[in-house]
Amino acid sequence: AQRVTQPEKLLSVFKGAPVELKCNYSYSGSPELFWYVQYSRQRLQLLLRHISRESIKGFTADLNKGETSFHLKKPFAQEEDSAMYYCALRMYSGGGADGLTFGKGTHLIIQP
Amino acid sequence: DAGITQSPRHKVTETGTPVTLRCHQTENHRYMYWYRQDPGHGLRLIHYSYGVKDTDKGEVSDGYSVSRSKTEDFLLTLESATSSQTSVYFCAISRQGRYEQYFGPGTRLTVT
Repeated sequence: AQRVTQPEKLLSVFKGAPVELKCNYSYSGSPELFWYVQYSRQRLQLLLRHISRESIKGFTADLNKGETSFHLKKPFAQEEDSAMYYCALRMYSGGGADGLTFGKGTHLIIQP
Repeated sequence: DAGITQSPRHKVTETGTPVTLRCHQTENHRYMYWYRQDPGHGLRLIHYSYGVKDTDKGEVSDGYSVSRSKTEDFLLTLESATSSQTSVYFCAISRQGRYEQYFGPGTRLTVT
């Protein structure tokens, strides 16, 4: 069974400090992973897709198949980064409509 | 926001009553999903649809049914609401050939 683990429920860092949000996955095939961000009581927004290797809002994430990880990083945290962050793994259904398995989320707080 | 709206946005209902939540999209996407979000659980897939009248169960489908009679609408029904179904419900779409999902604004349901 596939699983996504985000070991930190809460992460608090100071403004300007580096941020790393951890995500580990369990999946026997070739994974497809995403990071989503949810600002207070808003809809989830796609932040990153591992296949595109892009940087959004200064965040990057690298897939490490050996360690089965997809950690989210930012070199200098900003106060507006405070939010819930979810790591998600594509569920292959074979029919095209592939749901996502989500981790439980990490609440990131950036202190001034 | 990928043209996704949800209604109602908030609802309070009593145990044992039926409840229907609506997800509406304006961009003719084939694939649609319903998730519930609960503290400590992240998001979990309830049901999904890969076309009109084509639906399937997700990981937490007990107590829920869905219908999709038109491309633009995906309905989630709680046949007899229970307090354990108090949650925030999110609808999502994915585009053909792409696996990232885009989410609606959510419906906050309270079952008393």
